[in-house]
Amino acid sequence: DADVTQTPRNRITKTGKRIMLECSQTKGHDRMYWYRQDPGLGLRLIYYSFDVKDINKGEISDGYSVSRQAQAKFSLSLESAIPNQTALYFCATSRGAGEKLFFGSGTQLSVL
Amino acid sequence: DQQVKQNSPSLSVQEGRISILNCDYTNSMFDYFLWYKKYPAEGPTFLISISSIKDKNEDGRFTVFLNKSAKHLSLHIVPSQPGDSAVYFCAALDQGGSEKLVFGKGTKLTVNP
Repeated sequence: DADVTQTPRNRITKTGKRIMLECSQTKGHDRMYWYRQDPGLGLRLIYYSFDVKDINKGEISDGYSVSRQAQAKFSLSLESAIPNQTALYFCATSRGAGEKLFFGSGTQLSVL
Repeated sequence: DQQVKQNSPSLSVQEGRISILNCDYTNSMFDYFLWYKKYPAEGPTFLISISSIKDKNEDGRFTVFLNKSAKHLSLHIVPSQPGDSAVYFCAALDQGGSEKLVFGKGTKLTVNP
């Protein structure tokens, strides 16, 4: 089983719909992250959490929200999806500061 | 303002030759650097890292060189293999600051048989 699991793997939705992407991890890490990847733009940080009660905005948080339900679970929501949120979304975890990230396999989201 | 730059979107090399992937950074507070490798339909995976107290780190066929004065690092793959074909991301971290990794845009490496 994967250490970092993202669901769904693929999702097509319509403009204005609410959608949630889920992430769970079995690595026991406190730190969790949501990134999006766009062609030619690399990986950009949306939100991150250093423990269950900690939520921080990344560089592109507008239009997104997150919930850290437990140490192992970190979900990303798009309250009202728009087409420029079409991207590949990755969840990642790390053990601590300066530690390498472990990524999930990604969720390909298309907003029509 | 892009703090980590990978100026070559793509690179093509022959199997057995050396692949050199380059990365430049602008933030002098960065003190830890990592390379990640990404295959299609998979998440990025950690490849190799280097601390700013070193100028070289080697792991098998992969070597990362750091030139702090030039704010430049490079990843050398020798010899290159077709299985190395992937997108490579350079990332940097200010361990005493925000503790968030900053990624470059990636370089797509193609190793031709």
